[in-house]
Amino acid sequence: DAEITQSPRHKITETGRQVTLACHQTWNHNNMFWYRQDLGHGLRLIHYSYGVQDTNKGEVSDGYSVSRSNTEDLPLTLESAASSQTSVYFCASSGAYNEQFFGPGTRLTVL
Amino acid sequence: SQELEQSPQSLIVQEGKNLTINCTSSKTLYGLYWYKQKYGEGLIFLMMLQKGGEEKSHEKITAKLDEKKQQSSLHITASQPSHAGIYLCGAGRTGTASKLTFGTGTRLQVTL
Repeated sequence: DAEITQSPRHKITETGRQVTLACHQTWNHNNMFWYRQDLGHGLRLIHYSYGVQDTNKGEVSDGYSVSRSNTEDLPLTLESAASSQTSVYFCASSGAYNEQFFGPGTRLTVL
Repeated sequence: SQELEQSPQSLIVQEGKNLTINCTSSKTLYGLYWYKQKYGEGLIFLMMLQKGGEEKSHEKITAKLDEKKQQSSLHITASQPSHAGIYLCGAGRTGTASKLTFGTGTRLQVTL
């Protein structure tokens, strides 16, 4: 069965370190998305991609970057982790009717 | 930007009772998507509505999109403990329907 996976599931890092969160989907979807979920803010879009070599900024993109070298993967990089980036991160890919399928999430703590 | 308001923010119901969750937008919705999230887990896609007046059901959950495509409701009949979780609505935006805006969610607890 097709699926979307994220790794690691939990990560603790220190302020200033570079962190990369992995996202891999086997749906063969062109569209992929990264969100963060925080209490009081709901889901907020960080970056998204409509295909290989395409990346776009979402509403909360500062301090984050993505790259898309193949259809299956969209890694999210925090260039210099900050405590404000402590959150739960979700990756998603969307199908023909724009319904999004989500990964299990990565809980990131920045100390 | 298109914002989605969900109501209520939280809900506690007794097992067997019916309940309704609402999702309202100030602008026309281009695709309305309902999701369920259990604590510590990802979002599970429930159903999608696209046409004004559309109604879909899956097991004991029914979702409707009003004629003006500005409000959707999610109705659960005879609630069970397995229905507990956070329900979120997501909506497509004009011109970029693939990007979704999400409501802040409704937390549902089902008591025995």
